[in-house]
Amino acid sequence: GESVGLHLPTLSVQEGDNSIINCAYSNSASDYFIWYKQESGKGPQFIIDIRSNMDKRQGQRVTVLLNKTVKHLSLQIAATQPGDSAVYFCAENGGQNFVFGPGTRLSVLP
Amino acid sequence: GAGVSQSPRYKVAKRGQDVALRCDPISGHVSLFWYQQALGQGPEFLTYFQNEAQLDKSGLPSDRFFAERPEGSVSTLKIQRTQQEDSAVYLCASSLVGRLANSPLHFGNGTRLTVT
Repeated sequence: GESVGLHLPTLSVQEGDNSIINCAYSNSASDYFIWYKQESGKGPQFIIDIRSNMDKRQGQRVTVLLNKTVKHLSLQIAATQPGDSAVYFCAENGGQNFVFGPGTRLSVLP
Repeated sequence: GAGVSQSPRYKVAKRGQDVALRCDPISGHVSLFWYQQALGQGPEFLTYFQNEAQLDKSGLPSDRFFAERPEGSVSTLKIQRTQQEDSAVYLCASSLVGRLANSPLHFGNGTRLTVT
């Protein structure tokens, strides 16, 4: 299930299940979005990006969906693995610079 | 290595000391960004360079923060008279093209600054 932690919302999923991480972005003028994965002690790592002229893009085990009407972005991870445990951030290009969301911690249960 | 390199990885400073944080971007990358990340939060923009030109410093929290990229490659973020609220992870990112070209940022592993 999903719950709001002290600092980060947390999503707990069973290994092998699919994960869906959601993000609401703020700037209707944003036309480019990126999902990043951040493991403890490391910098954000690029996962997948999408431009505003698309509503879906697929990568290896990941899919990003963009709904511009409600300014919503989601990241779907298929067959979640223990190595997927991390904090996930969405980023929008916000006109000039990339603006990051607050992040969601994904916890994969054995 | 081919990635963004930052040094030092950890820095402990006494309040009032000056610190300098270094970033080696990916070779040939035009854009360089500095971000600040507080514990449990997303990265917050500090400043942006296109080659050697600092085009945006709107995110720098005070005039104690100064960044440079004199030859368009390595960059240094300097914080003068550090305060406890400066404690954070400082992330550097580079991108192949200018920031309006919609290209992903490649991040280093950051420098964790602790001010005591």
